[in-house]
Amino acid sequence: GESVGLHLPTLSVQEGDNSIINCAYSNSASDYFIWYKQESGKGPQFIIDIRSNMDKRQGQRVTVLLNKTVKHLSLQIAATQPGDSAVYFCAEKREEQTGANNLFFGTGTRLTVIP
Amino acid sequence: NAGVMQNPRHLVRRRGQEARLRCSPMKGHSHVYWYRQLPEEGLKFMVYLQKENIIDESGMPKERFSAEFPKEGPSILRIQQVVRGDSAAYFCASSPPSQRSYEQYFGPGTRLTVT
Repeated sequence: GESVGLHLPTLSVQEGDNSIINCAYSNSASDYFIWYKQESGKGPQFIIDIRSNMDKRQGQRVTVLLNKTVKHLSLQIAATQPGDSAVYFCAEKREEQTGANNLFFGTGTRLTVIP
Repeated sequence: NAGVMQNPRHLVRRRGQEARLRCSPMKGHSHVYWYRQLPEEGLKFMVYLQKENIIDESGMPKERFSAEFPKEGPSILRIQQVVRGDSAAYFCASSPPSQRSYEQYFGPGTRLTVT
């Protein structure tokens, strides 16, 4: 299954399928990106990050792809499991302010895994 | 190794009262960030603090909101004369000093309800 983030905030996939969650960012000065997973009633949990000098990074069952040309970020989850059901946010760190490390969050995509 | 601690987890205040939200960063972390999240929305940056210093408060409302991170003790987000629109989840994140200061780890949040 695939989402386009802001235009399709809900994504439903069958257990065992791969999921792709997309995120468009706005600031070309952003140099660091993070994907967070947020389960109901909990704080965001770090999943994976990527710096702007990379275009791909892999973790355990997750891969983040960065396309700086079109300012697009995606999170791929392999063999999606029921425990992956959550809201996923991309966040960017912008470099334009010296000393500033605050993150700018996207709207989020709700992933629902169907057993 | 305890994560970021926030208390209280739930806070109910009547309009006009004061709300105090506390955040204890992870051990060894010297940077604290506060974010606000409305239902079904992403997190919005409010303020970034280091010990005894406010580094960036560009996301803080100009009135009624203040934050501190004293030399000893937790960081405090204070909201005076609360209004219904202040009802939200408030998340604190902390990060280690210097080169890894962009890695933010979130607490479980405080859910503020203004009646």
